[in-house]
Amino acid sequence: GAVVSQHPSRVICKSGTSVKIECRSLDFQATTMFWYRQFPKQSLMLMATSNEGSKATYEQGVEKDKFLINHASLTLSTLTVTSAHPEDSSFYICSARTGTSARNEQFFGPGTRLTVL
Amino acid sequence: GQQVMQIPQYQHVQEGEDFTTYCNSSTTLSNIQWYKQRPGGHPVFLIQLVKSGEVKKQKRLTFQFGEAKKNSSLHITATQTTDVGTYFCAGHTGGFKTIFGAGTRLFVKA
Repeated sequence: GAVVSQHPSRVICKSGTSVKIECRSLDFQATTMFWYRQFPKQSLMLMATSNEGSKATYEQGVEKDKFLINHASLTLSTLTVTSAHPEDSSFYICSARTGTSARNEQFFGPGTRLTVL
Repeated sequence: GQQVMQIPQYQHVQEGEDFTTYCNSSTTLSNIQWYKQRPGGHPVFLIQLVKSGEVKKQKRLTFQFGEAKKNSSLHITATQTTDVGTYFCAGHTGGFKTIFGAGTRLFVKA
């Protein structure tokens, strides 16, 4: 099956620093990638949708300048949490889809657990 | 806005008992997908339902899509400890994005 990797799997940083998370589709080209945030015991909250070569579409309430998304190629998307604060601590998960149709299933990365001290 | 409601929030069962989780959408869905997330893991795709009234089975798991394409259910027969995790439904209205339900956490006691 399709594999999506995410790096790093876990990161601890000081308040005020920036953290970059990479999401890669290893054996397929991902036309669309999604970034989710998940708090403990809660559902997945979609943060943004990114298409290769174009600007990401952010969900309401998600700060574009704080969560920078770059979909540089058909196999790589990055999420940069800028000037991180303790309230940004969460589990960040990316997913990738092969096409633009909502009928295409999403393949999830293993997630990145961010802890901001 | 579009919502996908999922119940129950959690359920404790004895191993061997059945389990069902339900999803309801405020709008008609073009399709619905189901995912399972094990504790500490990431969501894994289980199945997709597209047709009105569709029923699909995967071993002990039975998935249904309502006639009006607004609701769906996942039923597990004779649960096992390996079924532990959170089950999410994810609905689409034909647009671009996926709307996840809140998930149902299943606890199975041996």
